[in-house]
Amino acid sequence: QKEVEQNSGPLSVPEGAIASLNCTYSDRGSQSFFWYRQYSGKSPELIMSIYSNGDKEDGRFTAQLNKASQYVSLLIRDSQPSDSATYLCAVPRGKSTFGDGTTLTVKP
Amino acid sequence: EAGVAQSPRYKIIEKRQSVAFWCNPISGHATLYWYQQILGQGPKLLIQFQNNGVVDDSQLPKDRFSAERLKGVDSTLKIQPAKLEDSAVYLCASSLTGGNTGELFFGEGSRLTVL
Repeated sequence: QKEVEQNSGPLSVPEGAIASLNCTYSDRGSQSFFWYRQYSGKSPELIMSIYSNGDKEDGRFTAQLNKASQYVSLLIRDSQPSDSATYLCAVPRGKSTFGDGTTLTVKP
Repeated sequence: EAGVAQSPRYKIIEKRQSVAFWCNPISGHATLYWYQQILGQGPKLLIQFQNNGVVDDSQLPKDRFSAERLKGVDSTLKIQPAKLEDSAVYLCASSLTGGNTGELFFGEGSRLTVL
């Protein structure tokens, strides 16, 4: 079992829709959770971090964390073509651990 | 503020040859990471340094990979001899706080093709 699992995708949504990206993790002791965005041919960049159960909003992005279910998600509202990228969930626990990412395509 | 610098950006070698990648982290960042990212996969940690000491190298194939961080600043990752399966992007990242609670800043990566 991988330490961090993401829905395999690819995920395609129309412009203006909500994109939902999901991630589960295996280590119950994990305390910090990150979402990185990686454009094709580029390096990952941090877009959201979350540490407590519940929701955290930043502009069009909302991260949701449920530690009891070992689940973290990222919602992108009003999706734009510029949001088309691979989204990586990272759950560091002693070392930074990334999922394999979900590729999102937003169609105009 | 200057970002994480990596070189070379691209390298093509034949199997059994050697290659070295260089990384200079953001000034003041004590923690430095080397990741391997194979196409279609997430980054896989190879080695983590805190200053010039190794924190984690459990996933580094030590029979062929080596890394050092002299003087706690820049770092070099070496592969010798290279195998076909080493074809990947090698990402260097740095962090102010150590990564578990803080943001990782990535360089542009070094793309290795082994023929």
